[in-house]
Amino acid sequence: NAGVTQTPKFQVLKTGQSMTLQCAQDMNHEYMSWYRQDPGMGLRLIHYSVGAGITDQGEVPNGYNVSRSTTEDFPLRLLSAAPSQTSVYFCASSYSQPSYSNQPQHFGDGTRLSIL
Amino acid sequence: SQKIEQNSEALNIQEGKTATLTCNYTNYSPAYLQWYRQDPGRGPVFLLLIRENEKEKRKERLKVTFDTTLKQSLFHITASQPADSATYLCALYTGGFKTIFGAGTRLFVKA
Repeated sequence: NAGVTQTPKFQVLKTGQSMTLQCAQDMNHEYMSWYRQDPGMGLRLIHYSVGAGITDQGEVPNGYNVSRSTTEDFPLRLLSAAPSQTSVYFCASSYSQPSYSNQPQHFGDGTRLSIL
Repeated sequence: SQKIEQNSEALNIQEGKTATLTCNYTNYSPAYLQWYRQDPGRGPVFLLLIRENEKEKRKERLKVTFDTTLKQSLFHITASQPADSATYLCALYTGGFKTIFGAGTRLFVKA
């Protein structure tokens, strides 16, 4: 199993450009999520999905879109890149949604995104 | 406001000693708490989970305690090794579909 795979690993964009960060998992996990990690701050949830066709907003959704057409893939789209979106982005998956049962998340190795 | 606090200063210890990392939270009543390890340039990796009704959980050289009265979890690494050097994140599940992460504490173990 590859686990959670994120592409690209690095990307530089100009302000106003759009792009899609890819995330794929091969563990047949229901729950997938996107986080951003900034220095001195915890991982902040952008969007999440509890299954194919179902997505919802997290803590910091503005400027980002997601879709979940298959169980395996959960791409994150930046609509019009801004310097404030410079960050490291992590995709994660777990067998089912966080709940009162034991559900650790499996993370990819991130995409390092710089917006000039 | 709701907040998770981990020591932002790096923890430096000598090989063989016990490392103790702290996670404090306010205004949450977490059902469970998780600890993750993150190496530079990598994503977090799950280590341990402890539930609100558990006081202590162990896995090999790792031990986690959870005091819901103090609103604190302690993460211990016994007989620490240079390979234990990493950033350690705590995360709380507080309901809904979301987990809240702390900013992490960097641990350096010197040989």
